[in-house]
Amino acid sequence: DAGVIQSPRHEVTEMGQEVTLRCKPISGHNSLFWYRQTMMRGLELLIYFNNNVPIDDSGMPEDRFSAKMPNASFSTLKIQPSEPRDSAVYFCASSLHSNSNQPQHFGDGTRLSIL
Amino acid sequence: GESVGLHLPTLSVQEGDNSIINCAYSNSASDYFIWYKQESGKGPQFIIDIRSNMDKRQGQRVTVLLNKTVKHLSLQIAATQPGDSAVYFCADPPNTGNQFYFGTGTSLTVIP
Repeated sequence: DAGVIQSPRHEVTEMGQEVTLRCKPISGHNSLFWYRQTMMRGLELLIYFNNNVPIDDSGMPEDRFSAKMPNASFSTLKIQPSEPRDSAVYFCASSLHSNSNQPQHFGDGTRLSIL
Repeated sequence: GESVGLHLPTLSVQEGDNSIINCAYSNSASDYFIWYKQESGKGPQFIIDIRSNMDKRQGQRVTVLLNKTVKHLSLQIAATQPGDSAVYFCADPPNTGNQFYFGTGTSLTVIP
C-alpha cells in the first residue's frame, strides 16, 4: 500500500523563483496537512484540508505561501517569490478521518534550499 | 494554541538498555496523544497512540504511559537497539479538528 508521496525530494533554487511542492495523500484519506520543519522551530503546521477544503491556514507564514487541493488525490504548496529563510524540509501528511483521534501518515518530505 | 514540550532534547543509551523519553503537555482537555519516530531523511512515523481514558498502552517493545494529573507522557523502549536511534516526537492535538502540535523532539542515540 503506497504511503504519502511527495515530490520533488530535493529542490535547490535561487531566491525570487517560484517553488511548487507536490503531495499525493494515501487513497481514501480525507484530511491533508502541510508542515515545515527546521532545526530552530521544529515541525510547524502550515495548513490543513478536510475533503479538499482548506480549514486552517493560520500557520502559513505570509502571503508568499499558498496551498491548493484541487482533488482528493493531489495537493500543492507554492512559494512565490521564494526567500532564503524558506529553506526547510516540507512535509505532507494525510489521515483517514477529519476528527481528532486519528494518526497522521507522513511523506518523506521535500528538502528545499533557497540560495 | 497550547503547545507540547519535551523535557530533554537529547538522550544517549547503551544498546540493550531501556529508554525513557518524556513529554509534557499543557492542554488539560487533550484526549488523544501520539508518539512519532523520525529517522534521518524521513518523515515522522507513527509508533503508538493513547487515549485519555487509559494510563498505559503497550506495543511491540514500546510502552506509553500517561499521567493526566501532571500532564505528562512517557515513551518507554525496551531493549533499545541501534535501529531505535532517531528523533521522537509526542503530538498533542487540539480539541477541534485533526491538527497536531509537535514539540522540537528528543534525539535518541543508541550506543553499541
